[in-house]
Amino acid sequence: EAEVAQSPRYKITEKSQAVAFWCDPISGHATLYWYRQILGQGPELLVQFQDESVVDDSQLPKDRFSAERLKGVDSTLKIQPAELGDSAMYLCASSPGTPVFRANVLTFGAGSRLTVL
Amino acid sequence: GQQLNQSPQSMFIQEGEDVSMNCTSSSIFNTWLWYKQDPGEGPVLLIALYKAGELTSNGRLTAQFGITRKDSFLNISASIPSDVGIYFCAGQSGGSNYKLTFGKGTLLTVNP
Repeated sequence: EAEVAQSPRYKITEKSQAVAFWCDPISGHATLYWYRQILGQGPELLVQFQDESVVDDSQLPKDRFSAERLKGVDSTLKIQPAELGDSAMYLCASSPGTPVFRANVLTFGAGSRLTVL
Repeated sequence: GQQLNQSPQSMFIQEGEDVSMNCTSSSIFNTWLWYKQDPGEGPVLLIALYKAGELTSNGRLTAQFGITRKDSFLNISASIPSDVGIYFCAGQSGGSNYKLTFGKGTLLTVNP
């Protein structure tokens, strides 16, 4: 079964350091999402891509967070500098994004757990 | 913005019991999705609902899309230990933006 790949699975960093997460969506999926999940909460959308274009980054803290999907396939989410409050699970998801059956169903990766010390 | 109220927050049940949880929204959704998340993993889709009033089953799981389009319910029958996890409801408003709004989750513990 096709999966969304994420790395690293776990990252421990000190505050003020830079950190990056990588995501490879399911092959052929046009839409890619980055969600942040704080312990005990549901995931919250940070940024959504349609192919290589950003369609929603209204909840992305742009002073320290950046995301790119240069060739419309894999994506990188960066945090610089990291702060204590950034400790969370960062989830990547993808969906077909075209008018096909279940086009709006998101498949999630296993996530990247960030701990900022 | 849209908010989802998911209840109960947690449940402790005996193996074999049935479970019910629900989600209500302040806004109308066109799609409701139910996900399960195991510790340290990403959410996995359980059931997708596309029409008001729709009732859909997946094995021992049954979910319904509320008539008002502002709520959804998930039932698990004859629970087993592997049902343990966090269950999330999520809603989509429709259009070409498939953004999901998630509830805060229901933590299910099953005692064997």
